[in-house]
Amino acid sequence: DIQMTQSPSSLSASVGDRVTITCRASQGIRNDLSWYHQKSGKAPKRLIYAASSLQSGVPSRFSGSGSGTEFTLTISSLQPEDFATYYCLQYNSYPWTFGQGTKVEIK
Amino acid sequence: EVQLVESGGGLVQPGGSLRLSCAASGFTFSDHYMDWVRQAPGKGLEWVGRIKNKVESNITEYAASVKGRFTISRDDSKNSLYLQMNSLKTEDTAVYYCGRDTDASIDYWGQGVLVTVSS
Repeated sequence: DIQMTQSPSSLSASVGDRVTITCRASQGIRNDLSWYHQKSGKAPKRLIYAASSLQSGVPSRFSGSGSGTEFTLTISSLQPEDFATYYCLQYNSYPWTFGQGTKVEIK
Repeated sequence: EVQLVESGGGLVQPGGSLRLSCAASGFTFSDHYMDWVRQAPGKGLEWVGRIKNKVESNITEYAASVKGRFTISRDDSKNSLYLQMNSLKTEDTAVYYCGRDTDASIDYWGQGVLVTVSS
């Protein structure tokens, strides 16, 4: 199975901050990676697919980059509605695997 | 508008069975692959399995943790996805989500349904 190692596991940031979350795959997955965020008690919402493609309707402050084994999600200017838990997902091979999550909290 | 609505959750004893349903609307269900993902209380997301569409012979794939116990099926005439869960274990306790698959991961998710396995 491909292991997805996400870092950090949590972070505290202020509104307006630039935030970066990283996912590392245990083997190459081309660009077969998506990013989601999940607010407490709600279903996840896709932000990015194919490593860098912005999901329709998602604000442009979200961006993704990377290929192979190293991937990054960047929020250019954190907004109050962005405080949530973020997950990466590799869909290159079965079983699909998620990172363990990054909780973004208010500083 | 894409909508996915899960149902069928509840409390079941270890060793028991449960069948979850996911009613889809707002898109051509038969065109899409579909997935199940679960989330144990306070934990992260775990992919459960996937069913392809009729063109791809409704082929299924499963996580090792559920293979042989869970079965994913679909009824395109009813725009519905199913998850038959047998031989349930306490560690299967989770919120179960169905998701629409675009061949580039899951783009839309249902609201989730809670399954509790406990004596």
